[in-house]
Amino acid sequence: ETGVTQSPTHLIKTRGQQVTLRCSSQSGHNTVSWYQQALGQGPQFIFQYYREEENGRGNFPPRFSGLQFPNYSSELNVNALELDDSALYLCASSLRDSLVNYGYTFGSGTRLTVV
Amino acid sequence: KQEVTQIPAALSVPEGENLVLNCSFTDSAIYNLQWFRQDPGKGLTSLLLIQSSQREQTSGRLNASLDKSSGRSTLYIAASQPGDSATYLCAVLNYGQNFVFGPGTRLSVLP
Repeated sequence: ETGVTQSPTHLIKTRGQQVTLRCSSQSGHNTVSWYQQALGQGPQFIFQYYREEENGRGNFPPRFSGLQFPNYSSELNVNALELDDSALYLCASSLRDSLVNYGYTFGSGTRLTVV
Repeated sequence: KQEVTQIPAALSVPEGENLVLNCSFTDSAIYNLQWFRQDPGKGLTSLLLIQSSQREQTSGRLNASLDKSSGRSTLYIAASQPGDSATYLCAVLNYGQNFVFGPGTRLSVLP
């Protein structure tokens, strides 16, 4: 069984640009969550996708948006990049059964640097 | 709003010592609590998961306890090794099914 894969691993963008990060969920999982981890801090929840719809969101502005595809993979899009968006972006997949998520598995992350 | 704190922020110990990492959370309405390990610039590796109805979990040299009523968890590492050097993150899974993480404890085990 494959794990969670994220691409790209590293990315450098200029302030004001837009970026798309990608995540392939673990086989058998149907839910994807995204987290932002600034340097020296714990990860912060951005949002979660289930059945191709946003299912929970943290305290992030609307310029952070996402998609989930029929194969359960996901994209995180960030518009109008700011210097503070520089962080490690982590994707996690899980199997949602009723109201519970099982088997949370994290990817290795995408390191985004905004200059 | 759930908040998770971890003490100490950083720890440096000689090889072979037993050590305890502490985690506190403000809202006891949690689904489970997990301890993760993170190597520099890498993703998260799950170490131990404790369901809200459980008191502790053990895996090898690691033991984690949970006292939900007091909002506390501890991670005990026995006979520490240089390979244990990493950041250890405590996270609670709330009923919205997303994690709230602490800031982590950065552990350095000296040979």
